[in-house]
Amino acid sequence: SQQGEEDPQALSIQEGENATMNCSYKTSINNLQWYRQNSGRGLVHLILIRSNEREKHSGRLRVTLDTSKKSSSLLITASRAADTASYFCATDAGGFQKLVFGTGTRLLVSP
Amino acid sequence: DTAVSQTPKYLVTQMGNDKSIKCEQNLGHDTMYWYKQDSKKFLKIMFSYNNKELIINETVPNRFSPKSPDKAHLNLHINSLELGDSAVYFCASSPPSGGPDTQYFGPGTRLTVL
Repeated sequence: SQQGEEDPQALSIQEGENATMNCSYKTSINNLQWYRQNSGRGLVHLILIRSNEREKHSGRLRVTLDTSKKSSSLLITASRAADTASYFCATDAGGFQKLVFGTGTRLLVSP
Repeated sequence: DTAVSQTPKYLVTQMGNDKSIKCEQNLGHDTMYWYKQDSKKFLKIMFSYNNKELIINETVPNRFSPKSPDKAHLNLHINSLELGDSAVYFCASSPPSGGPDTQYFGPGTRLTVL
C-alpha cells in the first residue's frame, strides 16, 4: 500500500501549547500537502511543500520535509481550541492527480 | 458561494437500493474526484475525471458508476447498495494541470446502508 502513516493517531493538548504531528510515506514524491478536517466537514488544504524544500511556514503552521527519511512534520504553534480537527498528510505518490492520504492525526485542543 | 457542493448531505437507505450523489464545483476546475472515507477516517480515491473524461478508476466495484455531464459536475450512482458501502463520500476538484495538485473538497455525503 502506498498509504502514508501518521503519528500520533491522537493528540490532546491545552490551548497555547504547540502540537506536532508526523507523516511518513513510502515512495518518492514531488510534493507533500497537509489538510485539516473538522468534524463532519470536508478537507481543507493547509500547506504544500515541494520535494526540494526543507521547511515552509504559513501563519502558525510550520512544515518540514525530509525526503531522505521520507517523512514530514506539521507543527502548529500557540494552538487554539479552533484547531481541534483531524490532520492528514497527502503525497502525489499515487501519480499525477492521484493523492495518497495518510491515516490522519486527531488533535484535541482544550481551553 | 460554496466552491464544491454535494447533495444530499445525509443518505439513509436499505440494502439493495440504488442511489445517487451529486457534486458541483463553481471554481472553474478541470478535474473532479470522488473519495470514500471509512469509519476509521481512511480516505481513498475512487474516481477522477478530467474535462468529463475518466482518468482514474481505483478498483471500485462496478456497482459504482460516476457520470460527468460537464466539467463542473460529477455525480456518483451506486447500484445494489451493500452494508459495506456505508461511509462518507467526498467530492473534490483541482485546478488545471501544470501545477501541484491542491484539491478542494466538498462537505461530504454520509451514506448509511441498513
